[in-house]
Amino acid sequence: DAGITQSPRHKVTETGTPVTLRCHQTENHRYMYWYRQDPGHGLRLIHYSYGVKDTDKGEVSDGYSVSRSKTEDFLLTLESATSSQTSVYFCAISEPGEGAEAFFGQGTRLTVV
Amino acid sequence: QKEVEQNSGPLSVPEGAIASLNCTYSDRGSQSFFWYRQYSGKSPELIMFIYSNGDKEDGRFTAQLNKASQYVSLLIRDSQPSDSATYLCAGSNFGNEKLTFGTGTRLTIIP
Repeated sequence: DAGITQSPRHKVTETGTPVTLRCHQTENHRYMYWYRQDPGHGLRLIHYSYGVKDTDKGEVSDGYSVSRSKTEDFLLTLESATSSQTSVYFCAISEPGEGAEAFFGQGTRLTVV
Repeated sequence: QKEVEQNSGPLSVPEGAIASLNCTYSDRGSQSFFWYRQYSGKSPELIMFIYSNGDKEDGRFTAQLNKASQYVSLLIRDSQPSDSATYLCAGSNFGNEKLTFGTGTRLTIIP
């Protein structure tokens, strides 16, 4: 298994509170991604990073921010959690190139009440 | 319109038959395509990728790409109950490794 660890694995938080999810990799892969997965929507890209301090928005970035100060860590922050952000969040990593496989972490189930 | 479209299913196939999963994409800049399998409550895992027109075979799995029609498919031969899962199609542009996923197709293999 690729060395990707997400933390926490489960979290329940209240509306309006800030939340940070962490993705840690030991593969030294250049690209890191945050996706959310919801029924009927599949995996939707929130933000991604193509290097330290290099990040870009995905299709559902509103209400989320990210930071990558080290190759191995990619943090996703919900500035003020809302119930619509209840979801399963997946981190993924990949290397550049044709056919470059993305490896996924175990996922974080976040519930905003 | 999503960039990658899949029938959400569910798709039911008898054990031993061929399961056919389909995907279309709208971005002609997409060059590489991936099929992931996801069991319930688990993370996606790669089955195959393809970036050349035509067929690519790996064991019981065959991926097909038709760039003119912007169509990608996955065939599973001799379907087994363990193939029951959600199958996700994804595309990316070479040089920009942002993977865009379809909504997934739920496949059930009936013993």
